[in-house]
Amino acid sequence: GIQVEQSPPDLILQEGANSTLRCNFSDSVNNLQWFHQNPWGQLINLFYIPSGTKQNGRLSATTVATERYSLLYISSSQTTDSGVYFCAVGAAGNKLTFGGGTRVLVKP
Amino acid sequence: DTGVSQNPRHKITKRGQNVTFRCDPISEHNRLYWYRQTLGQGPEFLTYFQNEAQLEKSRLLSDRFSAERPKGSFSTLEIQRTEQGDSAMYLCASSLSSGGAKTQYFGPGTRLLVL
Repeated sequence: GIQVEQSPPDLILQEGANSTLRCNFSDSVNNLQWFHQNPWGQLINLFYIPSGTKQNGRLSATTVATERYSLLYISSSQTTDSGVYFCAVGAAGNKLTFGGGTRVLVKP
Repeated sequence: DTGVSQNPRHKITKRGQNVTFRCDPISEHNRLYWYRQTLGQGPEFLTYFQNEAQLEKSRLLSDRFSAERPKGSFSTLEIQRTEQGDSAMYLCASSLSSGGAKTQYFGPGTRLLVL
């Protein structure tokens, strides 16, 4: 099956800093989503981005499908950005395959 | 749009007991998915429905697990003869099957602890 790798596994930021999270995947995909999992376990949709670039406030994402990677940018980080960020991809079927996540801690 | 809801939010049971979880998808979504997440890992796919038809099951879904979506609306996931290894967060998601973005939206999950 498709493999999804996220880096870095852990990230500690000072409030106000910028950061980039990466997601590599092993095969062509027709669905790619970025999620933020809050401390209560809720997966919050950030982006549906199988290709191209999108921005939403301080967050933006870029997927280069031909090179099989996606990037999530967090600018001017806030303590509320803390949590786990997951990349998930869908290929020929409809299930999502998740990466291992990037655990982000933003310190005040 | 009230979002995906799941009940109960927490369940503690003793090994060997049966448990059942319910998922109510976003009302116009015809696809419904179940995932399982263990501590420190990303969610893993279990099964999915399109309307009332169960179209795919993971090898993770042993014969002690059964899922139904009888009228193409809500779904139930039952685990028989629970084992300690079944302790996990069980997540439900829903999506559309046609149109543009087939974004999957997740519910808050049911956290199961098997003692």
